[in-house]
Amino acid sequence: KQEVTQIPAALSVPEGENLVLNCSFTDSAIYNLQWFRQDPGKGLTSLLLIQSSQREQTSGRLNASLDKSSGRSTLYIAASQPGDSATYLCAVRPSNAGNMLTFGGGTRLMVKP
Amino acid sequence: NAGVTQTPKFQVLKTGQSMTLQCAQDMNHNSMYWYRQDPGMGLRLIYYSASEGTTDKGEVPNGYNVSRLNKREFSLRLESAAPSQTSVYFCASSYAAYEQYFGPGTRLTVT
Repeated sequence: KQEVTQIPAALSVPEGENLVLNCSFTDSAIYNLQWFRQDPGKGLTSLLLIQSSQREQTSGRLNASLDKSSGRSTLYIAASQPGDSATYLCAVRPSNAGNMLTFGGGTRLMVKP
Repeated sequence: NAGVTQTPKFQVLKTGQSMTLQCAQDMNHNSMYWYRQDPGMGLRLIYYSASEGTTDKGEVPNGYNVSRLNKREFSLRLESAAPSQTSVYFCASSYAAYEQYFGPGTRLTVT
């Protein structure tokens, strides 16, 4: 069974820092991996989707990388801002499980002014 | 373009009562999903519908039923609510195996 782990569970940084959030998964047979952001009391907002054949995807200050063979993905946030404070979730879609996503537990990020 | 909408936003039920959570999407997606989110358990898939006319069980289907009413709408029904079903419920949609887009959620409390 696919398991997805995100470490750390919580992170607090001063504004302006570059930071890396980690996601690891146990089964490398994935179709794609998606990063989400969730604000308190809200739904999930899709940030980036990386297909299994890709190494990275970029959107603005966000860069997500994927190393399928080692079961790892990272989300890099450049020049962090207080507005980046949220919980970040990664989810993998196994290549043999239809459209189902398996989610990690999330990293709760606080960026202090 | 509203994306994925869910009703109601909040609901309190007594044990044994029934209710239906509604979800609609206007992105012409073929696949739709129902998740629940619980502290310490993360997001777990309850049911999904890969296309109109099909539904499949996810990780935690017990106590729930679903209906894919048409391409736009996917409902989740609790026939006899239990306190263990207290959770936040999210509906999502996607075009096949591509990005999933989520609704704002329904906060359900069963007393």
